[in-house]
Amino acid sequence: GEDVEQSLFLSVREGDSSVINCTYTDSSSTYLYWYKQEPGAGLQLLTYIFSNMDMKQDQRLTVLLNKKDKHLSLRIADTQTGDSAIYFCAERDSQGGKLIFGQGTELSVKP
Amino acid sequence: EPEVTQTPSHQVTQMGQEVILRCVPISNHLYFYWYRQILGQKVEFLVSFYNNEISEKSEIFDDQFSVERPDGSNFTLKIRSTKLEDSAMYFCASSEVMPDTQYFGPGTRLTVL
Repeated sequence: GEDVEQSLFLSVREGDSSVINCTYTDSSSTYLYWYKQEPGAGLQLLTYIFSNMDMKQDQRLTVLLNKKDKHLSLRIADTQTGDSAIYFCAERDSQGGKLIFGQGTELSVKP
Repeated sequence: EPEVTQTPSHQVTQMGQEVILRCVPISNHLYFYWYRQILGQKVEFLVSFYNNEISEKSEIFDDQFSVERPDGSNFTLKIRSTKLEDSAMYFCASSEVMPDTQYFGPGTRLTVL
């Protein structure tokens, strides 16, 4: 079945770049998403990429998609302590509209 | 900016009791979803809903669960007889069309004792 995998933890220093990686199995997924969850809060949509794109940039965020390897990454430039959160990768199911989530990567930014 | 809201933020209930979780989707959205996240596990899809009907449901969404749009603004998830394993964060989401980008509410933390 469809599956999305992420590494669980990432620790970076303030000002460095963070790269959060994700792999997925459904090659027919049309959209892939990144959501951010701060402590005690809901899932905030950060960005998304359509499957016919390789890259999307939005201010400090860069999404890279390698469709051949089914690999998605989120790069956060100049990471700040306020970026500390859990980041979820999700693919949209190709049959219906449901999202299939990874387990989330906890990003810790140290000053 | 329009947002999805959920009430209550935290609900504690006894095993076997019925609970209703409430959501107010974004006003021009037509598709509604419930997901849940058991502590330490992935966010899992429960059900999608459109035009007063369930569009899709997961294996988790058994006869103990039901959804309803009782009026023009609310979307509810009812669990008829809660079990300990229903303890989780429940997220409501909505989208303008399907398939489309889904916007999530802040979640309701359900604790079943």
